Amino acid sequence: EIVMTQSPATLSVSPGERATLSCRASQSVSSNLAWYQQKPGQAPRLLIYGASTRATGIPARFSGSGSGTEFTLTISSLQSEDFAVYYCQQYNNWPPLTFGQGTRLEIK
Amino acid sequence: QITLKESGPTLVKPTQTLTLTCTFSGFSLSTSGVGVGWIRQPPGKALEWLALIYWDDDKRYSPSLKSRLTITKDTSKNQVVLTMTNMDPVDTATYYCAQKRPRGGDYDYWGQGTLVTVSS
Repeated sequence: EIVMTQSPATLSVSPGERATLSCRASQSVSSNLAWYQQKPGQAPRLLIYGASTRATGIPARFSGSGSGTEFTLTISSLQSEDFAVYYCQQYNNWPPLTFGQGTRLEIK
Repeated sequence: QITLKESGPTLVKPTQTLTLTCTFSGFSLSTSGVGVGWIRQPPGKALEWLALIYWDDDKRYSPSLKSRLTITKDTSKNQVVLTMTNMDPVDTATYYCAQKRPRGGDYDYWGQGTLVTVSS
């Protein structure tokens, strides 16, 4: 099973600033990685797939990069609605599909 | 417009079998490439993938839970059913169904989720 490790667990950033979230895979997942955003009481929302492709309707301030074992989600200028928990998920080697433990992005 | 909605009991007793139904609209589970999966999330914890069923009835399960899970589909009713046997308090979670993005392994449409509590 591929283990996904996200860092940091919590990230405090001011609105308007850039946020950088990291995800590491225990073995290569090529570019088969997705990012999700989850707000309290809501289902996850797909942001990025294929490591760097934005899902339908996702604003351009969200970008993904990386391949192999190291991945980054960048939010270029944080808006109030971006404060949430973010999960990465690999789909290169499954079952099982595996998720990271999440990064909580909070207002500084 | 694609929508999914989970339904089932909110409370089950330990050792009982849980049956959840995902009713969807806006797509057909008889279309090539389409899949519907189940993912759960214990309160305050991370997401855990459980199972997936494809349009051709191919099924995938989490190895750690495979012995307890069964996923089926009823294409005529636009439903996917997940059963989980021998429920335990650690299975308390919000259970989501979601559509797998065609040609990918990620999920682009999710239901609202249903909280299942396991308690005597």
